Amino acid sequence: EPEVTQTPSHQVTQMGQEVILRCVPISNHLYFYWYRQILGQKVEFLVSFYNNEISEKSEIFDDQFSVERPDGSNFTLKIRSTKLEDSAMYFCASRTTLQNTGELFFGEGSRLTVL
Amino acid sequence: GNSVTQMEGPVTLSEEAFLTINCTYTATGYPSLFWYVQYPGEGLQLLLKATKADDKGSNKGFEATYRKETTSFHLEKGSVQVSDSAVYFCALSDPTNQAGTALIFGKGTTLSVSS
Repeated sequence: EPEVTQTPSHQVTQMGQEVILRCVPISNHLYFYWYRQILGQKVEFLVSFYNNEISEKSEIFDDQFSVERPDGSNFTLKIRSTKLEDSAMYFCASRTTLQNTGELFFGEGSRLTVL
Repeated sequence: GNSVTQMEGPVTLSEEAFLTINCTYTATGYPSLFWYVQYPGEGLQLLLKATKADDKGSNKGFEATYRKETTSFHLEKGSVQVSDSAVYFCALSDPTNQAGTALIFGKGTTLSVSS
């Protein structure tokens, strides 16, 4: 069964370092998303991406964050200069359809720990 | 704005007990409602959904009914198993924002079932 895959599963980094989280969405999907979950908190929307551009971003997604689909398969989230409060589980998701009745398929998440 | 509120966990039950996890929502328009489940070490998986009022979503013995009058989508299962131990997330789709946010999540409720 097709699935969304994310790497790394866990990354530990020093504050101020750049981090890139990678996602391979399901191959025929067109809409891509990043969410994050700080431990014990809600799953929060970060950004959506369609047709090689950002559709929407939340207030969390400031200038330190960027997304890219460099080669038609990978979908990356970059954090330019990590802060302690960036420590969270980051989930990538994709879907085929724009309809909000359509299922969003999630990866297993990448846990980021910023020291 | 749109939001989802879930009962606080953890919920600890014995095998074969009855489960209810409460979820209420606030939304403009007519959202679709979802329950996602996250088993240990895995990503978020769609458990069930309902797309209009009075619809009942069901899967793996779990059920939830879309109640517009009480703005609720409570998750129930008649007899839980140890394998149901997981984190359960209630979510809604934002009907006013198709390509963007996609899903708004609750905080998640941890269920622990012992034999």
